[in-house]
Amino acid sequence: GAVVSQHPSRVICKSGTSVKIECRSLDFQATTMFWYRQFPKKSLMLMATSNEGSKATYEQGVEKDKFLINHASLTLSTLTVTSAHPEDSSFYICSARDTFYSNQPQHFGDGTRLSIL
Amino acid sequence: AQTVTQSQPEMSVQEAETVTLSCTYDTSENNYYLFWYKQPPSRQMILVIRQEAYKQQNATENRFSVNFQKAAKSFSLKISDSQLGDTAMYFCAFSGSEKLVFGKGTKLTVNP
Repeated sequence: GAVVSQHPSRVICKSGTSVKIECRSLDFQATTMFWYRQFPKKSLMLMATSNEGSKATYEQGVEKDKFLINHASLTLSTLTVTSAHPEDSSFYICSARDTFYSNQPQHFGDGTRLSIL
Repeated sequence: AQTVTQSQPEMSVQEAETVTLSCTYDTSENNYYLFWYKQPPSRQMILVIRQEAYKQQNATENRFSVNFQKAAKSFSLKISDSQLGDTAMYFCAFSGSEKLVFGKGTKLTVNP
């Protein structure tokens, strides 16, 4: 079945560091990928829609200069949290939709737990 | 804008019994999909069941079934013969064109 690989699964780093999270579709092409943020005991909040070969579409209130998204190929999107601070600590999850089977549900990565000290 | 409402923050059920989780949504679209996702403590998002709005028949997946009432914009999840492994957060979600919109979730605990 369709698999989305997300790395790393856990990051602990110092304040001011930039952190890159990768989201790969392993056996399908994904023109569109999605990045979510989840606070403890809360629901998933869509941060941005990542579009292959073009700029990401950010949701209202999400700082695009803080959360840089690059979708350079049909199987890879990256989220970079720039100059991370403790308030950026959270659980980040990506998902991807198969370009050729758009009526299929999104496939989720296993998430990245980011802790900024 | 679409909204998804889950009115039960927490629920519990005895093992082997049946439980129903509620979900209502609001949309002006006519073609859409509805989903239930399970998120165990590992935080993986696992698709439990999905329903196409144009289908009148309620979706079923083994012990999981839905009661889809399109006119009422209601999409409840029934879990039969509850198992300890069903303990998790359950999120109802709506998808129109591209985006998934999630409800706030229901924390389900299955007690032995």
